[in-house]
Amino acid sequence: EPEVTQTPSHQVTQMGQEVILRCVPISNHLYFYWYRQILGQKVEFLVSFYNNEISEKSEIFDDQFSVERPDGSNFTLKIRSTKLEDSAMYFCASMGQGNQPQHFGDGTRLSIL
Amino acid sequence: TQLLEQSPQFLSIQEGENLTVYCNSSSVFSSLQWYRQEPGEGPVLLVTVVTGGEVKKLKRLTFQFGDARKDSSLHITAAQPGDTGLYLCAGRLNTGFQKLVFGTGTRLLVSP
Repeated sequence: EPEVTQTPSHQVTQMGQEVILRCVPISNHLYFYWYRQILGQKVEFLVSFYNNEISEKSEIFDDQFSVERPDGSNFTLKIRSTKLEDSAMYFCASMGQGNQPQHFGDGTRLSIL
Repeated sequence: TQLLEQSPQFLSIQEGENLTVYCNSSSVFSSLQWYRQEPGEGPVLLVTVVTGGEVKKLKRLTFQFGDARKDSSLHITAAQPGDTGLYLCAGRLNTGFQKLVFGTGTRLLVSP
């Protein structure tokens, strides 16, 4: 069964450094999402991406965050200058048509030191 | 701010017991998904309910979507240790590009 894959599984970064989280969505999907889950808290929406542009973003997704789909297969989340509070699990999800469910990757655990 | 409240937050039961998890909101959702999440992994889709009043069965799991599409329940019959995990409901809004609003989660422990 097709799946969403994310790399790396764990990223440790010094505060202030840039980090790029990578995702390969399911191949024929059209809608792409990033969510995050701080330890012990619920999963929160960050951003949705459709037709090569951001379609919606949350208040968490400030100017330090950006997303890109550079080559038609990878979908990346970049945090320009990481803060301690960016430590969380980051999940990528993709969806086919508008009414289909979203499928999630196994996440990247981001630890900011 | 849309909010999905799940109850109970924690549930510890013996093998063979039945249980129900509730997911409630004041918002109307176009659909609602139930996911199960294991430690260190992403949410895995169990079911999607779309129509108000809809009931779906997945082996020993029964999912119901409220008539007003604001709430949902998950009922497990004769729970087994393999059912242990974190259960998440996630509502899809009608607006925007259908982001999911996740519930607070129910952590289930089924002891043999």
